[in-house]
Amino acid sequence: GAVVSQHPSRVICKSGTSVKIECRSLDFQATTMFWYRQFPKQSLMLMATSNEGSKATYEQGVEKDKFLINHASLTLSTLTVTSAHPEDSSFYICSARDARGGSDTQYFGPGTRLTVL
Amino acid sequence: GNSVTQMEGPVTLSEEAFLTINCTYTATGYPSLFWYVQYPGEGLQLLLKATKADDKGSNKGFEATYRKETTSFHLEKGSVQVSDSAVYFCALSDRWEGFQKLVFGTGTRLLVSP
Repeated sequence: GAVVSQHPSRVICKSGTSVKIECRSLDFQATTMFWYRQFPKQSLMLMATSNEGSKATYEQGVEKDKFLINHASLTLSTLTVTSAHPEDSSFYICSARDARGGSDTQYFGPGTRLTVL
Repeated sequence: GNSVTQMEGPVTLSEEAFLTINCTYTATGYPSLFWYVQYPGEGLQLLLKATKADDKGSNKGFEATYRKETTSFHLEKGSVQVSDSAVYFCALSDRWEGFQKLVFGTGTRLLVSP
């Protein structure tokens, strides 16, 4: 299967600072990537859909000015949590859409655990 | 709208027991169906998928059959191992949304004891 990486895997920051999380598709090009948030023992909540070369599409209730998404290339999308607060602490997971050969499957990164003090 | 319903966990089994995790869905179009597995502290891994009715997805001893008549995609394994302990997510992707968005169930935690 395809490989998606995330960096960093863990980050601890002070309240009010900004944190950037990178998502990379390592062996395929992904025109579409997705950002999810997962709370403890809960399912994944889609935050936004990131399309290469265009603005991200945010789900209802997700603040686009707080969660900045940039899909700079076909293999890289970044999520920046601006002015982070303790309630932003969560597990953030990205996925990349692999549409090669008509398969259309999302492959997920290993996740980034953000802790805001 | 589209939705996925999974059985609540945790499911607790002894090693070599038979596993079934139920999953039913509601979709307006013609969805593809997926099972993902999440091991502790990790992201999701695609376990298996089926793209049309009557397709059977299989991987690592796990199987699931796309049943359109019952709108179900139950996950089964004949003999579980301790290493199968994880959270399992059923999900669908709907053609009418360009196969892009995944809708997840709430996840079912499986605990396998030796």
